[in-house]
This record gives sequence, C-alpha cells and structure tokens, in this order.
Amino acid sequence: NAGVTQTPKFQVLKTGQSMTLQCAQDMNHEYMSWYRQDPGMGLRLIHYSVGAGITDQGEVPNGYNVSRSTTEDFPLRLLSAAPSQTSVYFCASRGGGEQYFGPGTRLTVT
Amino acid sequence: QQQVKQSPQSLIVQKGGISIINCAYENTAFDYFPWYQQFPGKGPALLIAIRPDVSEKKEGRFTISFNKSAKQFSLHIMDSQPGDSATYFCAASHDMRFGAGTRLTVKP
Repeated sequence: NAGVTQTPKFQVLKTGQSMTLQCAQDMNHEYMSWYRQDPGMGLRLIHYSVGAGITDQGEVPNGYNVSRSTTEDFPLRLLSAAPSQTSVYFCASRGGGEQYFGPGTRLTVT
Repeated sequence: QQQVKQSPQSLIVQKGGISIINCAYENTAFDYFPWYQQFPGKGPALLIAIRPDVSEKKEGRFTISFNKSAKQFSLHIMDSQPGDSATYFCAASHDMRFGAGTRLTVKP
C-alpha cells in the first residue's frame, strides 16, 4: 500500500513550457485534490475531484488543468508555465474522513 | 481572502513547555477541523481533528480546543519536545481550506 505517490520530485521548466505532474493513489478514494504551497500562504487548493470524470476548481485554478479518467490517477497539467507557478505542489486523497498527502513536487519556472 | 486565519506565524518554545497555535474561521458551514504536521521535505500529515459537536479532543500530548460561537479553534502541545519542531497547519472542511501555517521550534 503506497498511499499517495507523486512524480517527479523536482522539476525545472522554462517560461512557456508545459508539463504534467503525476499523482496516483491506491486507497480507492473518490476524492482527490491538488494544492500548491508557498511561503506564508499555507496550502491553497488548485483543483479537486469527487470521483472519476468529475473535477472542479479550487481557490487558485488559473493556469492549471486537471482530468480524472480513473479513480487512481489525478494528473495536474501546466499548459504554459510562468514564474508565478514556482511552488511546491501536493496531491492528496481523502477517505474515511482523513486526507492523505503525497510527498510533493518542487517546481521551479525560470 | 483566506477563510482560515492562523497565528502565530512562528513560535519558539522551550522543551517541556506548552505550545499553543490558534485558528479562526469564517464559514459556519465548516464541519471538520483538522490539524496537520509537516516536516521539511515531506507532505503534511494528519495530527488530530475535531468536529464542532465537541469542545475539546485530546490525543496524547496534543489537544484541540474548539469554540463554535467564536469560530475559533486551537492546538495545544503539552510537554513540547524537540521532535515536535515542524510546521503546523490548521484546516477547515468541506473543501479543506488551510491556514498559513505556524513554524514551531522547540529548544532543548
């Protein structure tokens, strides 16, 4: 039981490049979400999903896309990276009243 | 606009002392209030949580106090230890809005 896994752990992008942050969970949780963590800002919700085929926006969705084709996977796409998207990104899944976080992806956009 | 306000931003406590972190929320529809602990380079991990039908919950050295009328809740860490040094986040349901975090340092 791996819990929530994220890849990659680190990534450096140039402005305008695109990439996908991968997230997978093996706990059969319906609810999954993406957060970004910035100093002094806590964790801010980007997008979330309440089940396969259903996604919705959180607090800071601009510049990010998500999809949920399976219960296990919830990738986050940056279509055209900007320096303001430099952050640590956490994926989470929720079940039984508890939210489990992945180890995070540290993204730098230059 | 942050829906959950957390204070202080940082806290230094001597070993054996009591650490207290406070949070205030705005949305009365929130019905679940967890606290998360995060060590450097790791994701947050659930520490303790409370629902608004009780005013206090204790698990070992960690206690949540909840004041529904004031829309405030706090984390108390008794007999604080250097191993408790971490960043602590409060949060509020339903879409899990987080406070800005408190960096706790426990000095030996």
